[in-house]
Amino acid sequence: SQQGEEDPQALSIQEGENATMNCSYKTSINNLQWYRQNSGRGLVHLILIRSNEREKHSGRLRVTLDTSKKSSSLLITASRAADTASYFCATDASNAGKSTFGDGTTLTVKP
Amino acid sequence: EADIYQTPRYLVIGTGKKITLECSQTMGHDKMYWYQQDPGMELHLIHYSYGVNSTEKGDLSSESTVSRIRTEHFPLTLESARPSHTSQYLCASTGLGTPPYFGPGTRLTVT
Repeated sequence: SQQGEEDPQALSIQEGENATMNCSYKTSINNLQWYRQNSGRGLVHLILIRSNEREKHSGRLRVTLDTSKKSSSLLITASRAADTASYFCATDASNAGKSTFGDGTTLTVKP
Repeated sequence: EADIYQTPRYLVIGTGKKITLECSQTMGHDKMYWYQQDPGMELHLIHYSYGVNSTEKGDLSSESTVSRIRTEHFPLTLESARPSHTSQYLCASTGLGTPPYFGPGTRLTVT
């Protein structure tokens, strides 16, 4: 079964608004990663946050991690139509390197 | 049963050898992907395919090659393995509107 679960499953917003997606997981992790997948294309890595980190920024992206609640959030600020994609969180529960993916959140940004 | 398979699961091989990592899926998915992941790090897309006779290079430059002669089969080949190729290789496939299904991975060590 999937380790990570994204919430919501689908999100539709207007350009310029902020989009927040959440991810919950079940077991202890070493790191958590967020990926984007445009329709049909492969996963593109966005941010990796380690278990001893609480927040990370990259451009318009902000990721938080709360290990006590076993949850993470991805915030995209000032969204653009080009942000339309599916977003996945993945957890690495060991340093063996294989990540476990959730089912993703489909984000639609309307121009 | 619908699934995605990778063989071998573990491979230790000497420098200069030619190797082929196998990936097969029984879900009839058109899109298939190869990712490379080092322990505790993020995935990087190295190859993808939208269907038979379609192959494209991914975001991370790789000396490997792929072929897609049958829908269910997407093998990855290294003509001359080097220690820098030591990593985990993950195969995935997606159907229409589905999250990526990942195989169990092949852990490659080149000595």
